[in-house]
Amino acid sequence: DVKVTQSSRYLVKRTGEKVFLECVQDMDHENMFWYRQDPGLGLRLIYFSYDVKMKEKGDIPEGYSVSREKKERFSLILESASTNQTSMYLCASSLMPVSYEQYFGPGTRLTVT
Amino acid sequence: AQTVTQSQPEMSVQEAETVTLSCTYDTSESDYYLFWYKQPPSRQMILVIRQEAYKQQNATENRFSVNFQKAAKSFSLKISDSQLGDAAMYFCASPNNAGNMLTFGGGTRLMVKP
Repeated sequence: DVKVTQSSRYLVKRTGEKVFLECVQDMDHENMFWYRQDPGLGLRLIYFSYDVKMKEKGDIPEGYSVSREKKERFSLILESASTNQTSMYLCASSLMPVSYEQYFGPGTRLTVT
Repeated sequence: AQTVTQSQPEMSVQEAETVTLSCTYDTSESDYYLFWYKQPPSRQMILVIRQEAYKQQNATENRFSVNFQKAAKSFSLKISDSQLGDAAMYFCASPNNAGNMLTFGGGTRLMVKP
């Protein structure tokens, strides 16, 4: 079974803090994704990566950066957290190409106060 | 910009009845896959069903089937014999025009009444 894990289920941070969200997959998938989920807006892609050290901006990259130093690990970084980044963050992974199923992690509910 | 539209924010169905969730998309790709994902309360998102656009036949997985209308760019999900465990958020997804990522709809919350 494919497993995608995320470092925290719940996280509370203060405005201006640097926040790291980590995602690890155990199936040697090339693609990894970070989404943000908000009510009524569905899932919106922040960044994705198709290989180590490679990254592509998604629909809403502003205020976020990512790091992929190893194939199995994809980190999302909020350089200076703001209250409008309070949301559910989902990580996913898949084989190439995009036609393959994406496997999701359990999500991290981030609250920025 | 790529859009995927789920026009029903919430739906409810009686247990054992059938319900259909709607989805429209606007990719310009000619060969692509479409997806329905399910997110149960406080649980991980999982794939429900996948449709290959070049196939005429609608995909079916047990009680889940799709009605794929390629010309109309419509991709609805039918759940037959609804069960309490079907209660969840359902998201449809289609590839963007570059074919390198998925765009998700806003989701439909399905409630199943006993």
